[in-house]
Amino acid sequence: GQNIDQPTEMTATEGAIVQINCTYQTSGFNGLFWYQQHAGEAPTFLSYNVLDGLEEKGRFSTFLSRSKGYSYLLLKELQMKDSASYLCAVMDSNYQLIWGAGTKLIIKP
Amino acid sequence: DADVTQTPRNRITKTGKRIMLECSQTKGHDRMYWYRQDPGLGLRLIYYSFDVKDINKGEISDGYSVSRQAQAKFSLSLESAIPNQTALYFCATKENGRETGELFFGEGSRLTVL
Repeated sequence: GQNIDQPTEMTATEGAIVQINCTYQTSGFNGLFWYQQHAGEAPTFLSYNVLDGLEEKGRFSTFLSRSKGYSYLLLKELQMKDSASYLCAVMDSNYQLIWGAGTKLIIKP
Repeated sequence: DADVTQTPRNRITKTGKRIMLECSQTKGHDRMYWYRQDPGLGLRLIYYSFDVKDINKGEISDGYSVSRQAQAKFSLSLESAIPNQTALYFCATKENGRETGELFFGEGSRLTVL
């Protein structure tokens, strides 16, 4: 079967760095997405990776290793507004999205 | 105003009632989707539509039906609601022709079935 694994919850301190991991097993691969979802709100797009390596977008970076079925989302200089759930999703060979359950990130002052 | 609008935002109903959740969008996208979100689970696809005449079942379509009334409108119906359909429902759109494009989500409709 297809599955996406990510930690259920993580806690970090304001100003620090946190890495949220995502591992996947899917039928084919057409890219990996990260979305941010604040409590009670809609998911919003953060990034899309289809090639191996690290991509940086301001305070957020994403890494992908297709051979290992692994990605991470790195958040630097954490702010209270970064408290949210972070959803990892992989697009399989049929261009269907397989979603992880999300990682709830709690930021403490 | 939001580009993808869902109504109602919250609804409490009883087992056996018919419920319709509506979604409208101003993004001009042909592709529209209905997902449900449950605690501890990833988003699950219920139905999707690539244009007005194209409707496709998703992973968990049983107990649901949809109608694509126009390019901009995609409704989800529960013909006879049951308690395990209590969930947060999201409508989403995607830009035409971009298979790997991002999804744009509505604000969600929280449905409680008693």
